[in-house]
Amino acid sequence: KQEVTQIPAALSVPEGENLVLNCSFTDSAIYNLQWFRQDPGKGLTSLLLIQSSQREQTSGRLNASLDKSSGRSTLYIAASQPGDSATYLCAVGSGNTPLVFGKGTRLSVIA
Amino acid sequence: GAVVSQHPSRVICKSGTSVKIECRSLDFQATTMFWYRQFPKQSLMLMATSNEGSKATYEQGVEKDKFLINHASLTLSTLTVTSAHPEDSSFYICSAPAGGTEAFFGQGTRLTVV
Repeated sequence: KQEVTQIPAALSVPEGENLVLNCSFTDSAIYNLQWFRQDPGKGLTSLLLIQSSQREQTSGRLNASLDKSSGRSTLYIAASQPGDSATYLCAVGSGNTPLVFGKGTRLSVIA
Repeated sequence: GAVVSQHPSRVICKSGTSVKIECRSLDFQATTMFWYRQFPKQSLMLMATSNEGSKATYEQGVEKDKFLINHASLTLSTLTVTSAHPEDSSFYICSAPAGGTEAFFGQGTRLTVV
């Protein structure tokens, strides 16, 4: 059974810092990996999708990497801003099967 | 990207009543819809999978008679929480795979049972 772990559970940083969020998964037979953002009481915003054949994806200040063989992914946020404060969720998928989510990392960026 | 529209976004109901949540795929046909539940400070947990024209499959520990799922068309899946109780208060969200590559999520429904 696939299990997804995210470290750290919570993170507080001053504005402007670069930071890394970690995600690991137990079964490397994945189809893709997605990073989401969730604001308090809100739904999910898809940030980056990495297919199993890819090693990284970039969008603006965000960069996600995938090492499928070791079961790891990282989300790099450059020059963090208070508006980046949210919970970041990592989820792995296998084709048309449901995503398996980690518990998320709660990020606070302090002005 | 594909759009999944979920309604209502927020609902408050009295204990013992039923609540229906709708998810519509607006620009694609969703033969499958996944329903998740998220308790405070927890991750999203799969509740059930609905398939158009057939019975839903439920995850272990999810009562199928309490959480009724109907997927009568390729663009609409509904989740009805029957005889809701305060412990059913949660965030419910649907998701449909589109083309087998990316999962698209509804906006979520915050259910509060008082």
